[in-house]
Amino acid sequence: AQKITQTQPGMFVQEKEAVTLDCTYDTSDPSYGLFWYKQPSSGEMIFLIYQGSYDQQNATEGRYSLNFQKARKSANLVISASQLGDSAMYFCAMRVSGSARQLTFGSGTQLTVLP
Amino acid sequence: EADIYQTPRYLVIGTGKKITLECSQTMGHDKMYWYQQDPGMELHLIHYSYGVNSTEKGDLSSESTVSRIRTEHFPLTLESARPSHTSQYLCASSRQKSGANVLTFGAGSRLTVL
Repeated sequence: AQKITQTQPGMFVQEKEAVTLDCTYDTSDPSYGLFWYKQPSSGEMIFLIYQGSYDQQNATEGRYSLNFQKARKSANLVISASQLGDSAMYFCAMRVSGSARQLTFGSGTQLTVLP
Repeated sequence: EADIYQTPRYLVIGTGKKITLECSQTMGHDKMYWYQQDPGMELHLIHYSYGVNSTEKGDLSSESTVSRIRTEHFPLTLESARPSHTSQYLCASSRQKSGANVLTFGAGSRLTVL
């Protein structure tokens, strides 16, 4: 069975500073993908970044980067230069190769960016 | 502009009513999903479809049913709503992007059953 753990229910960061949101995962499958989604108060889920288990380099997408440490089974999201609009719920998710059930989500981290 | 549309966004109804949550996508994706999310909690998969006339139940047991008669349309129905069905329901479809099967979500339907 797959499991995603996000141990930070809430985080605060000052505007323009960087913040790291933690995510650890558990799977015995060697082929998997890790995703981060953002959910603003409006409710929709917005895809941010993806990391494949065989990818050699950490994924980056603009101000988002994924700190992938395979041996530790962690996939932390780093947001650089935080903006007020980054305040939202952030979910880490995993998909195991060949899984018919798509994504397994963590419980989320509520990020608040302070002016 | 959204490529996956959910209606209604908000619905408040009484116990015992039949409801249908609509979900349509214009991207031609074969795979579609319904997730249920309680406030501040993680998402749980309740239904998914790999294509027309293909539907499967997800990890979380749900009294709802789905149908997939057309590629673009994946409605969810509750025959007799109860207060325990109060939740947010998120529809998604998926595409391949750089090796990943990325889900695109709709804005969600917030259901309250009194």
